[in-house]
Amino acid sequence: GAVVSQHPSWVICKSGTSVKIECRSLDFQATTMFWYRQFPKQSLMLMATSNEGSKATYEQGVEKDKFLINHASLTLSTLTVTSAHPEDSSFYICSPQLPAGEQFFGPGTRLTVL
Amino acid sequence: DAKTTQPPSMDCAEGRAANLPCNHSTISGNEYVYWYRQIHSQGPQYIIHGLKNNETNEMASLIITEDRKSSTLILPHATLRDTAVYYCIVRVGVANQGGKLIFGQGTELSVKP
Repeated sequence: GAVVSQHPSWVICKSGTSVKIECRSLDFQATTMFWYRQFPKQSLMLMATSNEGSKATYEQGVEKDKFLINHASLTLSTLTVTSAHPEDSSFYICSPQLPAGEQFFGPGTRLTVL
Repeated sequence: DAKTTQPPSMDCAEGRAANLPCNHSTISGNEYVYWYRQIHSQGPQYIIHGLKNNETNEMASLIITEDRKSSTLILPHATLRDTAVYYCIVRVGVANQGGKLIFGQGTELSVKP
């Protein structure tokens, strides 16, 4: 299967700081990138969809100014959690998609905001 | 996208077949059935997908009923490493048709020795 990496794999930050999460598709080009988050003992929740070179489309209830998504190239997308608060502590997972529809998932980034 | 219904949890004995059911009674003609699984604290892993025919790969088999309103994922010889949450998702197959993978609660499969 395709290789997807996320960096960092875990991060602890202070409340009010910003955190950037990188997602790379290592052996394929992703025209579409999905970002999910997952709270403990819950399912994955889709946050936003982005296409390379375009602005992201956010799901209802997800603040676009708080979760900044950049999909500058076909192999790299970033999610920045701005002014993080403890309630933003979660498991963030990127999911690049090929044009034909195959969708893969990164290993996830665990964010803990103190 | 059509919603799916799965039992919240199942147990299976190691070495036995694990049969995970999924109901998707409102599936549309152009929607595929996808199965993913998530082992604790990891990203989801693709297992298999199908439209209307039964499918088999090295991981599992997917049996879709003739009316496409339900399906079953079969792990033929479950091992302890198959313990995970299994998600059944229906989605339009082609990316440029706006298909998204929307996760439900899934089935927590516990394989026991």
